[in-house]
Amino acid sequence: DSGVTQTPKHLITATGQRVTLRCSPRSGDLSVYWYQQSLDQGLQFLIQYYNGEERAKGNILERFSAQQFPDLHSELNLSSLELGDSALYFCASNRAREETQYFGPGTRLLVL
Amino acid sequence: DQQVKQNSPSLSVQEGRISILNCDYTNSMFDYFLWYKKYPAEGPTFLISISSIKDKNEDGRFTVFLNKSAKHLSLHIVPSQPGDSAVYFCAARGSGSARQLTFGSGTQLTVLP
Repeated sequence: DSGVTQTPKHLITATGQRVTLRCSPRSGDLSVYWYQQSLDQGLQFLIQYYNGEERAKGNILERFSAQQFPDLHSELNLSSLELGDSALYFCASNRAREETQYFGPGTRLLVL
Repeated sequence: DQQVKQNSPSLSVQEGRISILNCDYTNSMFDYFLWYKKYPAEGPTFLISISSIKDKNEDGRFTVFLNKSAKHLSLHIVPSQPGDSAVYFCAARGSGSARQLTFGSGTQLTVLP
C-alpha cells in the first residue's frame, strides 16, 4: 500500500459527459501528479501540482482540468468525454526533492 | 516521439534464472531513472532507481545498470521467482524543475515455475 488513495476505482459513463476523479496523496506529500494509461501503452504525464499551484503540464487536453485543494487532495476533471478517453488514470505523489513518485491504485474510466 | 523505449513487450524466464529487462532513452537531459512493477488492477509500485551519476545500483535480488554513453539501462533480477511475474516499466526524470516521469511502454515478465 503506497498510501496514495484514488476514488472511484471504476467509472462507466457516456460520451459527452463530465466526470471528476479524486486523489489523496501520502501524508506529508506536497506534489501530486496525474498520468493516463491507455490500452497497451505506458503512462503519459498529464499535469503536476505542488502545494496548490500548477507546476508542470504534459499532454493534457483542453477538455481536462485539475486542481489541488488546501488539504492537498487533488481532482482531475474530464469533460465532453469521448470514447478515446477510456483509460486508467493514476495519480502519484512525493515530497519536495524526493525522486521517487508513489502511485495510487488508479481509476479505470470507460466511456460508452 | 518516444523518449523512453522498452522494445521487448514480453519476456519469459525459468524460475531461478536471471531476468534482464532493457530500456533505451533518447533525451540526454534525463538525470534519474526508475523501475516500477505493476500487477493487474493495481498502481505501479516503485522497485529500484539510479541517478545518472552512477552506473549501478543494487537492492537485494534487483540490480539496475546504467550506460549513459549508450543511453541504455537494464534491470537484472536474480534469481527470478514466480511472484516477479508482472509488467515492468522503465521511467526517466528530466533535470531542472520539471519533475514528471516519462515512461516506457512496459515489458510483461513471466517467470515459469
